[in-house]
Amino acid sequence: NAGVTQTPKFRVLKTGQSMTLLCAQDMNHEYMYWYRQDPGMGLRLIHYSVGEGTTAKGEVPDGYNVSRLKKQNFLLGLESAAPSQTSVYFCASRAQDRGRNSPLHFGNGTRLTVT
Amino acid sequence: RKEVEQDPGPFNVPEGATVAFNCTYSNSASQSFFWYRQDCRKEPKLLMSVYSSGNEDGRFTAQLNRASQYISLLIRDSKLSDSATYLCVVNRGNNDMRFGAGTRLTVKP
Repeated sequence: NAGVTQTPKFRVLKTGQSMTLLCAQDMNHEYMYWYRQDPGMGLRLIHYSVGEGTTAKGEVPDGYNVSRLKKQNFLLGLESAAPSQTSVYFCASRAQDRGRNSPLHFGNGTRLTVT
Repeated sequence: RKEVEQDPGPFNVPEGATVAFNCTYSNSASQSFFWYRQDCRKEPKLLMSVYSSGNEDGRFTAQLNRASQYISLLIRDSKLSDSATYLCVVNRGNNDMRFGAGTRLTVKP
């Protein structure tokens, strides 16, 4: 049982390049999330999904797109990378709340540098 | 005003001390609450959920005050291994999960 898996673990991009970060979970969770974390700061929500085929904006969605074509996968895309997108990106998933609080389960993170 | 606010610290305490953190949230419709622990350059890990009646897990106690819109975390008998950043997480509704900026704790011998 791998939990939440993020690929790649590290990436260096040049300004203007594009890339896709992949998040996969094998826990059959309904909800999936993408966060970014900058030095000395907490996690900020980029986009999230409450089910296959659905996505919603978080607090810092600009410059990113997401897709959830399959329940187990949540993709984060950067169409034209900017240095301000240098960050650590965390994916998380959680189950439906069924009478109890359902916590977030995290991947190991992707360290992205945009030069 | 930020959705979820925490005192960034740092809190520097000796081993054996009791330390408390607070976290305030702005959306009164927020539904569920959690405390996470994050070690340097690692992913956050669940410490405990926070329930209205308060809950305890060993040396850790979490409380929720809906009237004043804050949650708290109390750590008793601090250990060196408790040194980390503590993050509060709030489900503000519609499964929109927001983090505070974190409170850094250092426990010293």
